[in-house]
Amino acid sequence: QSVLTQPPSASGTPGQRVTISCSGSSANTGSNSVSWYQHFPGTAPKLLIYDNDQRPSGVPARFFGSRSGTSASLAISGLQSDDEADYLCAAWDDSLRGPVFGGGTRLTVL
Amino acid sequence: QVQLQESGAGLAKPSQTLSLTCTVSGDPINVGGYYWSWIRRCPGKGLEWIGYTYFTGSAYYNPSLRSRVAISIDTSKNQFSLSLSSVTAADTAIYYCARGSDILTGYPFDYWGQGALVTVSS
Repeated sequence: QSVLTQPPSASGTPGQRVTISCSGSSANTGSNSVSWYQHFPGTAPKLLIYDNDQRPSGVPARFFGSRSGTSASLAISGLQSDDEADYLCAAWDDSLRGPVFGGGTRLTVL
Repeated sequence: QVQLQESGAGLAKPSQTLSLTCTVSGDPINVGGYYWSWIRRCPGKGLEWIGYTYFTGSAYYNPSLRSRVAISIDTSKNQFSLSLSSVTAADTAIYYCARGSDILTGYPFDYWGQGALVTVSS
């Protein structure tokens, strides 16, 4: 019952490209930038993408973000075993006047 | 390198007040351009924003929790704190502190703590 909708799981084999979706509404993803986080359980989540498609310094170009309408996507190319983690999306919500989050997608590298 | 670390009691009794502190290292907390947040993940649910404060002390809360939440900041200790009153089992969660950026478009969280599990039980 998260405000933003993500698939609970995704998978791929090493070297493949996988895409994770994030869907919201006009109050959040439709009007505000989306950010993405990589989270290994028990550790601090890490900012991967902000402003829909911007990578902070140090984040590999294999991670690519995009947004269209009320949906956003995170694509990971050249999948590696240590990409296996939870991926979360977030966006500012104008109605809440605060951030809202997706439920997270658990990525498995087969 | 900025680091955030949550600390506080891992167990709270129903109806009591949950208190957590986030200690920030690597950057001063008393600068503009950032907002200092608390976020939680309850079992089986997604992340929920609790509230945030600026270094000035101005705070903003999720309406669903506003009546029970207070977030304060101590710039002398480079810390900010969460107080959640009248807790119930539904407040059992992993509580994260995070730094939000007003500088980056979309106000993302550029640094997070690793989270602190708080269980509400008698």
